[in-house]
Amino acid sequence: GENVEQHPSTLSVQEGDSAVIKCTYSDSASNYFPWYKQELGKRPQLIIDIRSNVGEKKDQRIAVTLNKTAKHFSLHITETQPEDSAVYFCAASKRHQGAQKLVFGQGTRLTINP
Amino acid sequence: KAGVTQTPRYLIKTRGQQVTLSCSPISGHRSVSWYQQTPGQGLQFLFEYFSETQRNKGNFPGRFSGRQFSNSRSEMNVSTLELGDSALYLCASSLRGLPPTESQETQYFGPGTRLLVL
Repeated sequence: GENVEQHPSTLSVQEGDSAVIKCTYSDSASNYFPWYKQELGKRPQLIIDIRSNVGEKKDQRIAVTLNKTAKHFSLHITETQPEDSAVYFCAASKRHQGAQKLVFGQGTRLTINP
Repeated sequence: KAGVTQTPRYLIKTRGQQVTLSCSPISGHRSVSWYQQTPGQGLQFLFEYFSETQRNKGNFPGRFSGRQFSNSRSEMNVSTLELGDSALYLCASSLRGLPPTESQETQYFGPGTRLLVL
């Protein structure tokens, strides 16, 4: 089955710097790659997603890139702010008989230092 | 629109007991997926329900089961609880029409039910 590896497990950056989190997936049939942000004690919130027919997507300070050949995708956060501190999860899924099953990476704890 | 809701939010049980958790999806959403979140294993997929039918299943033992009602609300049940079942149980809903389209894939999570097994 699908396996998603996420690195690093922890990341600490200075406020204003950029943060990059990388994920690799195993199933070449995967076609949907969302990123979720989970603050302490809260639910995971979708921050951006990308589909396999697109190489890059941006939303203000957040961008995601996808390399289908290498089977990896990355989250880029620019001009980081203290409120970006959270655990970030990548996920991959493919549509099987109309159903989507998200397989998550292990998460990255991002800390923004003021 | 109101978001995904889950009840109860916290639960304490003892080994061997059973538990039922409830999830109400966003109005109009027809698919409900369940996930188990633990510090050691991360977020793991349990199962997905759509139109009252289980459409997809993760690698969990048969003690974990679920169902979906005609109003799309879903319940999951864990029987014969073990210490290792202590976790945050999250449900997520999505539109997922027939046939499904890309824009309907996005899953929105509820706040979770934190289960502690003693």
